[in-house]
Amino acid sequence: GENVEQHPSTLSVQEGDSAVIKCTYSDSASNYFPWYKQELGKGPQLIIDIRSNVGEKKDQRIAVTLNKTAKHFSLHITETQPEDSAVYFCAASITGGSYIPTFGRGTSLIVHP
Amino acid sequence: DTGVSQNPRHKITKRGQNVTFRCDPISEHNRLYWYRQTLGQGPEFLTYFQNEAQLEKSRLLSDRFSAERPKGSFSTLEIQRTEQGDSAMYLCASSPDSNQPQHFGDGTRLSIL
Repeated sequence: GENVEQHPSTLSVQEGDSAVIKCTYSDSASNYFPWYKQELGKGPQLIIDIRSNVGEKKDQRIAVTLNKTAKHFSLHITETQPEDSAVYFCAASITGGSYIPTFGRGTSLIVHP
Repeated sequence: DTGVSQNPRHKITKRGQNVTFRCDPISEHNRLYWYRQTLGQGPEFLTYFQNEAQLEKSRLLSDRFSAERPKGSFSTLEIQRTEQGDSAMYLCASSPDSNQPQHFGDGTRLSIL
């Protein structure tokens, strides 16, 4: 089955800096890669996703890149703000069929004001 | 669109008791998923429904667990004879189909005394 590795487990940055979280996956059939943000006491919230026919996607301060050959994808947050502090999860799945994502173990992002 | 709703938000019970959680998905979302999340981990798949049909169960779903979605709308997850190891956050997610993002509720946190 699919295996998703996520690094780092903790990331501490100063407000205004950039943050990068990296994930690798094992199943070359995976074609959909969502990123979720989870705040304390809440469920994961989808913040951006990318499909395998695209190499990069941006949404304001957030961007995701995908390298299918190397089987890795990354989340980039620019101009970080204290409200970006949360746990971020990457996931990999195959659309169609059961469409069950495999999640990474999460990155705790701390943005210091 | 009111989002995925889960009740109760918190449940504390004694070992050996039965508990039931409810999930109301986003309206007209055909797919409904149950996950379990423990501290420091990403969500782990338990089971999913396509309308009222339960199509797949994880090996994590022991015979003490049962899930239903009788009319293809809300779903319930029941745990019988709870054990200490059942303590976790139980998350529900829904999606329109197998190609669209899954949206999560805020979960039910179960604590076994």
